[in-house]
Amino acid sequence: GQSLEQPSEVTAVEGAIVQINCTYQTSGFYGLSWYQQHDGGAPTFLSYNALDGLEETGRFSSFLSRSDSYGYLLLQELQMKDSASYFCAVVISSGSARQLTFGSGTQLTVLP
Amino acid sequence: KAGVTQTPRYLIKTRGQQVTLSCSPISGHRSVSWYQQTPGQGLQFLFEYFSETQRNKGNFPGRFSGRQFSNSRSEMNVSTLELGDSALYLCASSLGGSPSTDTQYFGPGTRLTVL
Repeated sequence: GQSLEQPSEVTAVEGAIVQINCTYQTSGFYGLSWYQQHDGGAPTFLSYNALDGLEETGRFSSFLSRSDSYGYLLLQELQMKDSASYFCAVVISSGSARQLTFGSGTQLTVLP
Repeated sequence: KAGVTQTPRYLIKTRGQQVTLSCSPISGHRSVSWYQQTPGQGLQFLFEYFSETQRNKGNFPGRFSGRQFSNSRSEMNVSTLELGDSALYLCASSLGGSPSTDTQYFGPGTRLTVL
């Protein structure tokens, strides 16, 4: 089977740095994606790591270690608007078929 | 470039009815995937279509079905609705190429309420 683990809640203050970890166990792994979802909204793509290492996009960075089945999302210079749920999702592929399997999400609360 | 669009945005049905949801992918995207999101089960994969063919299917009963048209637009159908089908149904599109580089982009979703 497949499983992903990420913390259910994280709280930080404006301007701080927060790291959301994700560990996974799966077969057919191709990469790790991160999505942000505000209440009532759709998941918004943040980043995708297919290779080991760090990917940086503005205030957000994402890291993957395939050997450790581990990744994280790093959010810097937190802003109030970053309060949302963050989902890690593994890209799984078998032959031509593929799907995203999501973690249960991390609710990030940014305090003033 | 326009994003993924889904219609309708909100829907209220009663048990036993059927429903059809529509998704228009980003222009040029040939893969469309459907997901169900509920507070209890989170985001769960329903199925994926590419070039009018179902490439992958999640663990949902046969009441859930879908199809894709030649213009890549997709529909999903749920028959004999149950209370537990109340959820946000999300459609995601991607180019459908190598999974090492393919990225899925989500539409706003259809909020289905079954009474």
